[in-house]
Amino acid sequence: GAVVSQHPSRVICKSGTSVKIECRSLDFQATTMFWYRQFPKQSLMLMATSNEGSKATYEQGVEKDKFLINHASLTLSTLTVTSAHPEDSSFYICSATQGTYEQYFGPGTRLTVT
Amino acid sequence: GQQVMQIPQYQHVQEGEDFTTYCNSSTTLSNIQWYKQRPGGHPVFLIQLVKSGEVKKQKRLTFQFGEAKKNSSLHITATQTTDVGTYFCAGWRDSNYQLIWGAGTKLIIKP
Repeated sequence: GAVVSQHPSRVICKSGTSVKIECRSLDFQATTMFWYRQFPKQSLMLMATSNEGSKATYEQGVEKDKFLINHASLTLSTLTVTSAHPEDSSFYICSATQGTYEQYFGPGTRLTVT
Repeated sequence: GQQVMQIPQYQHVQEGEDFTTYCNSSTTLSNIQWYKQRPGGHPVFLIQLVKSGEVKKQKRLTFQFGEAKKNSSLHITATQTTDVGTYFCAGWRDSNYQLIWGAGTKLIIKP
C-alpha cells in the first residue's frame, strides 16, 4: 500500500521558537495532503487541506499565520508551527490522497513545547 | 465544528460480543469512509462506501451506508482483542470538497 512518512517523529522545542514538520508520500504522488491535530484520547481535528502548488485551505479557527503549510511538490508538504507555545503541544498527523478519496496517514509527530 | 455525529463515544464489550458504531450526517454525503486507529498508532483506512444502501463486509466487519447517504454504521461480530482501537467515520461532501470526521468510537474489551 501507499506509504506516507513524517519527520520528525518527536520534537521538543522552547516556547517562542518555530518547528517544521515534513510529510512525504514515498511511493505515490499526492494530489492533496491534509494536516490534522489530535489531542490525547480525542478525535482527529482537521487543520488544513493543501493541494500541490496552491495555498492551503484552513479550517475555521486555525490560524494560518501560525500554522504555515507549504505543498511544494506532489510528494512533500510541510507544516511550520511558528512562535510555538505550550498550548501548541500536540500530536500532528498528515495524510495524503491520490485523488481516490482514500487517505494514507503518516505516523504522526509528537510536538512538545516547553 | 463537526457535522458528523458518531455514537457511542466508548463501548465496553466482553470478548466475543458484538460491537456497533453509528455515524449520522446533517447533510448528504458523496461517500463515507471508515478508519481504525490502534492505541498509539495512526488511522488506517478500512473501507469506503459510495452507493446509497451499500453494504460491504470484511470478515467479521459489516459496513452500511444509508439510503439517504446521511448515515452509516460499522458492526463487528464476535469481537476479538485485536479489534481494540478507535473507529472513525469520515464523510465527503462534494458540495465543497470537504471531509468531515466523526468523533470516533473507542472499542474496549473488558478484561
